[in-house]
Amino acid sequence: QKEVEQDPGPLSVPEGAIVSLNCTYSNSAFQYFMWYRQYSRKGPELLMYTYSSGNKEDGRFTAQVDKSSKYISLFIRDSQPSDSATYLCATTANQAGTALIFGKGTTLSVSS
Amino acid sequence: KAGVTQTPRYLIKTRGQQVTLSCSPISGHRSVSWYQQTPGQGLQFLFEYFSETQRNKGNFPGRFSGRQFSNSRSEMNVSTLELGDSALYLCASSPATSSGELFFGEGSRLTVL
Repeated sequence: QKEVEQDPGPLSVPEGAIVSLNCTYSNSAFQYFMWYRQYSRKGPELLMYTYSSGNKEDGRFTAQVDKSSKYISLFIRDSQPSDSATYLCATTANQAGTALIFGKGTTLSVSS
Repeated sequence: KAGVTQTPRYLIKTRGQQVTLSCSPISGHRSVSWYQQTPGQGLQFLFEYFSETQRNKGNFPGRFSGRQFSNSRSEMNVSTLELGDSALYLCASSPATSSGELFFGEGSRLTVL
C-alpha cells in the first residue's frame, strides 16, 4: 500500500464550480500536510500548509485534515480556468517540513 | 529574488552512462532537496542536504547520489543509467526555519535511451 493515495482523475468542471480533491494516507506519524499545484512544464508550488488536524482557508481555497480517518481534502470555490493544473497532496513526519511524500496528483481542468 | 535554477533543463543519455544535474537554490536557503517525478510513480523524494550534510534520504539505490557545496548549490549524480531513470528531476530549496514550504525549480528532464 502506497503511503499516500490520491485519485489521479482527470477531473473536469465548469467555471464557477466547487472542486473537491482528496487524499488518504496510512502513517499516523504524519503531522504536516500540504497541497501543491503544478502547472504543465513547471515545478510544483505550495498552495496550502496545515499542521495536524483542522481546517485552513486562504481565499477560494480550503484545506482540511482529519487525522482520525487519515483523510486530506482541498476545496476550491468559484473555480477559474486558471485553476487548471495538477494538484498534489503531500505529507511528512519531518519537523523541518522536508522529505515530503506526495500523492500522484489529480489533474483538474476548468472550462469557461 | 531569483528562484531555484536547475541545469541542464533537458538532456538525453544512453544506458550505462552517468549524469550530473545542478541546482542553485534561492539565496539564503540552506536546505536543498531532490525529487524524481515520473508518470507511473509520481513525485518521489531522493535526498535532502542541509549545510553540506545529507539530512534525509529516500528509498533509491546507491546509483543516485548528491552533494551540497558551501554556497548551498547542489548537484545530484546518477551512475550506470537505466531506462527507468528517465524522469523529471526536481530540486527544491527551503530556508532553515521552514514551515514546510519548498520552492521548486522547473526541473531537469532526463531521457535515457
